[in-house]
Amino acid sequence: QQPVQSPQAVILREGEDAVINCSSSKALYSVHWYRQKHGEAPVFLMILLKGGEQKGHEKISASFNEKKQQSSLYLTASQLSYSGTYFCGTTGAGSYQLTFGKGTKLSVIP
Amino acid sequence: EAGVAQSPRYKIIEKRQSVAFWCNPISGHATLYWYQQILGQGPKLLIQFQNNGVVDDSQLPKDRFSAERLKGVDSTLKIQPAKLEDSAVYLCASSLDSEQPQHFGDGTRLSIL
Repeated sequence: QQPVQSPQAVILREGEDAVINCSSSKALYSVHWYRQKHGEAPVFLMILLKGGEQKGHEKISASFNEKKQQSSLYLTASQLSYSGTYFCGTTGAGSYQLTFGKGTKLSVIP
Repeated sequence: EAGVAQSPRYKIIEKRQSVAFWCNPISGHATLYWYQQILGQGPKLLIQFQNNGVVDDSQLPKDRFSAERLKGVDSTLKIQPAKLEDSAVYLCASSLDSEQPQHFGDGTRLSIL
């Protein structure tokens, strides 16, 4: 089942912070975060695993609430290069299939 | 390290024709994925290989789509015959295993006329 991302779009000025949320109605094993710029391939940002292990990007942080089946991606002191569409992908227990949400379009302006 | 290589970058065909895409994963990556990304949506998994075996092809339209990964390295994805709704970007990704980050290629943009 496809995870739900919010907001669908957000506009920030440089230096502002943003939070992108990802929620699922099914029990999750892992949450993956990717950023995709227009016409380019998705780029890996972060993996959060059930049990708390986190593998990711040094300038971006994320949380995984296992009870609520939710994850949040935190972008602090945004830069112009942060612009793009952010996707969360989720896997359930016993399933290798990564199911992506519809994405959150982030635009950072000077 | 070299990234995931895909070809061609663009392809335009008429409906009912056939088309094939090629992917060369990062060296040493056992897991290979093919995704379909329709404009404005997230990637949708079509098929996942572990070495040369299929792990998941539950969302692959098997009446028209086929994929293979010979010798557990390169992979090809074929559509025959193509339909208008197949217009999309086809992304190939690879990872060390199914719990590791996936690295995506630049994709093939397919347009069906």
